[in-house]
Order: sequence, then structure tokens, then C-alpha cells
Amino acid sequence: EAGVAQSPRYKIIEKRQSVAFWCNPISGHATLYWYQQILGQGPKLLIQFQNNGVVDDSQLPKDRFSAERLKGVDSTLKIQPAKLEDSAVYLCASSPDRARTDTQYFGPGTRLTVL
Amino acid sequence: GQQLNQSPQSMFIQEGEDVSMNCTSSSIFNTWLWYKQEPGEGPVLLIALYKAGELTSNGRLTAQFGITRKDSFLNISASIPSDVGIYFCAGRRFGNEKLTFGTGTRLTIIP
Repeated sequence: EAGVAQSPRYKIIEKRQSVAFWCNPISGHATLYWYQQILGQGPKLLIQFQNNGVVDDSQLPKDRFSAERLKGVDSTLKIQPAKLEDSAVYLCASSPDRARTDTQYFGPGTRLTVL
Repeated sequence: GQQLNQSPQSMFIQEGEDVSMNCTSSSIFNTWLWYKQEPGEGPVLLIALYKAGELTSNGRLTAQFGITRKDSFLNISASIPSDVGIYFCAGRRFGNEKLTFGTGTRLTIIP
């Protein structure tokens, strides 16, 4: 079974530029998560989707971050405009069942560097 | 946002030694999870705990759900080079789907 796919793996941009990340979850997984992991810290949930609906986006900085999962499969996370403090690894995870948070499978992440 | 407190922050041990780390919170959790993250990869689930006092093993790894529900412990016996990585705890509160992650314990094995 293929795992969670993310692209790109690395991205370097200048502040105030825009950037987008893509995630393809494990086939059949209805729940998709985006996490931000700042160097030296644990992952922090940004947004959770159930199929194509948002379950929790309480920690998403909505003035600059947006995410969508239009067809309930793959998802994109966008930052516009980027700030220096957005430098982090952005992890995507998926789960077959939102009730079983322990069944989250993580992708390899996209490392973003904002200069 | 809140992060759980893990200690120690880092460990330098020799191959074959046993390892102990813990995770504490000011809040009660009803699920505790332990993950391992290697460079360039996402976290991988090691052990899941669902009941206060529960002791669960996965090979050389053993984790415990603290009886106060505010802490959890992970032990690794007879460490080997492939144990190197960052270990994260994560907790979930009753009625809340969101996972709260710890600050991580970095394990390094000295040859």
C-alpha cells in the first residue's frame, strides 16, 4: 500500500512570496491533516479535513494560510504572503477514520525555508 | 498552542544501554501515543495507550499510561543503532479529536 505522498520535498522562497504544497493521502482515507513542525518542536495541527469538509482549522493563520481538498482526495496548502516565521516542515497525514486519531499516517513532509 | 513537556530533551547513550523518557501535561488525556521521527521523514507510530495504568510493549519498547492521566513513559531496552531519532509523545483529550504533541526527545547512540 502506497503511503502519504507530498511534494515538493523542499522549497526555498523569499518573504512575501507565495508557496503551495500538495498532499495525496493513502487511498480510501477520508480524514486528512496538515501539520506545521518548527525546528525543535513537535507537529502542530493546522487544519483537519473529513472528505472535502473542514473539521478543525482553529490554528490555521487564515490571513495568510489557506487549504482545500475539493474532491475529498488530494489537498493543497497555500501560504500567501510568506513570513520568515513560516520556515518549518509541513507534514500531511491521513487516517481512515476520524474517530481513531491514533491511525494517522504521516507523509515525509515539505521543508520550507523563507529568506 | 500547547505542547506537552518531554524529558530529557536529548540523550547520548552507548549501544546496549536502556533508555527512559517521559511526557507530562497539566491536562488530563484519555489517549497517549508515542512516535519516532527520523531525519527527512514524518513521525511513525510506535505504541498507543488507551487506559490509565496500561502498560504496552512493542518489541524492545515499552510504554505506560500514567495513572494520573497526565503523564506517560517510554522505555527502550538494549538500544541499537537504528533506535536513533526523535521520539515524540502525543495526547488526545476526551471529546477532542486533535492530537497535542510533545517537544521531543532526541536519542543519539555513541559508537
